[in-house]
Amino acid sequence: QSVLTQPPSASGTPGQRVTISCSGSRSNIGSNIVNWFQQLPGTAPKLLIYRDNQRPSGVPDRFSGSKSGTSASLAISGLRSEDEADYYCAAWDDSLTGPVFGGGTKLTVV
Amino acid sequence: QVQLVQSGAEVQKPGASVRVSCKTSGYTFSDYYIHWVRQAPGQGLEWMGWINPKSGRAFFAQRFQDRVTMTRDTSINTAYMELSRLKSADTAVYYCVRAVVVVGATWFDSWGQGTLVTVSS
Repeated sequence: QSVLTQPPSASGTPGQRVTISCSGSRSNIGSNIVNWFQQLPGTAPKLLIYRDNQRPSGVPDRFSGSKSGTSASLAISGLRSEDEADYYCAAWDDSLTGPVFGGGTKLTVV
Repeated sequence: QVQLVQSGAEVQKPGASVRVSCKTSGYTFSDYYIHWVRQAPGQGLEWMGWINPKSGRAFFAQRFQDRVTMTRDTSINTAYMELSRLKSADTAVYYCVRAVVVVGATWFDSWGQGTLVTVSS
């Protein structure tokens, strides 16, 4: 049972825009930044979004993050086949004194 | 460039211990905390704890407090995670992760390639 709640799956067609939600509480998303990770099959997670909406260098601007209250979202526009992956949200939790993760969302590009 | 290279896959019996190493390069080792995160087969990510490479101080998630040790060797820029009294439920890929901390905000910007630990009799 993950502390942050994500839908287990999402899908879209090439070129479409999809969003993935991440719901938490006051002690994590409500008080701290949200980060998003992309995990391609068989590889380590990769930082996709940090500080709610910042992209590391090399991450396309098709990926964007937002946050409101105790929820956050990842949006992917211009969907491409190579975006098929698992996506995880994460935030520091003040009660647990450590980061917590969402359960992950498997994105399928159909 | 920043690199975290982990030790190879391990197979251990229940009750045994395992130590995973994480050799870093491309940055000043003592400037960034190292966290450990694990992922059971087909499951999500679970945080285990962190170590401050400068001081050696470590902090663990409550569920691992009595079984995990995190250390470092600053002479070779390497962090270690040891998990004892292994159970089959500890079968997972273990990742070391570099943490960036800016004005109280933390994010994981670089990950090791992962080390598969299999616990089986």
